[in-house]
Amino acid sequence: EAQVTQNPRYLITVTGKKLTVTCSQNMNHEYMSWYRQDPGLGLRQIYYSMNVEVTDKGDVPEGYKVSRKEKRNFPLILESPSPNQTSLYFCATMGGQGSSGGYEQYFGPGTRLTVT
Amino acid sequence: RKEVEQDPGPFNVPEGATVAFNCTYSNSASQSFFWYRQDCRKEPKLLMSVYSSGNEDGRFTAQLNRASQYISLLIRDSKLSDSATYLCVVNLGGYQKVTFGTGTKLQVIP
Repeated sequence: EAQVTQNPRYLITVTGKKLTVTCSQNMNHEYMSWYRQDPGLGLRQIYYSMNVEVTDKGDVPEGYKVSRKEKRNFPLILESPSPNQTSLYFCATMGGQGSSGGYEQYFGPGTRLTVT
Repeated sequence: RKEVEQDPGPFNVPEGATVAFNCTYSNSASQSFFWYRQDCRKEPKLLMSVYSSGNEDGRFTAQLNRASQYISLLIRDSKLSDSATYLCVVNLGGYQKVTFGTGTKLQVIP
């Protein structure tokens, strides 16, 4: 079954304690991305990766790091989390032209992060 | 002006009603357009792509108007299970910038 997995699904942590949210996909997609979703602001892109060892900033990259050492994995790292990073995070992949002819994205189930 | 704009709603409609959402985009170079559905606290899922010629999938019809830079989603014979937030997504093309609207909330009432 084609899927995108994220772990953990829920995390409550304290300010300044480094954390990593993992993302893994089994669709062999080149493009992977991280989003955060906040009420009234919609989905905002944090970082994206076009391929292994190729990453770039999205719209809201401050306070986050990513790495892409393998095609299937794209972890999101918060070196020193702060309360304003409390949010719902989604990992997504995009594998090129789908059956519709467009570039469709597939999302992981989300990680709800609370930083106190 | 926001890159992608949607009316946040909520749209409260009775079962069986027809409801339509619009979404406007600012970049005329945009190439691909999609509607995603998102249930509360769940991940967005692709509902349908939007073509210039329009496309239909059962009770759902999507249209693209490039001249006026908007896309629309029509839902006929609304079901309770259609209650969700509908996200408009615009892609500049290929792996280029993808922008999400903030979503339109639909509540179908018995």
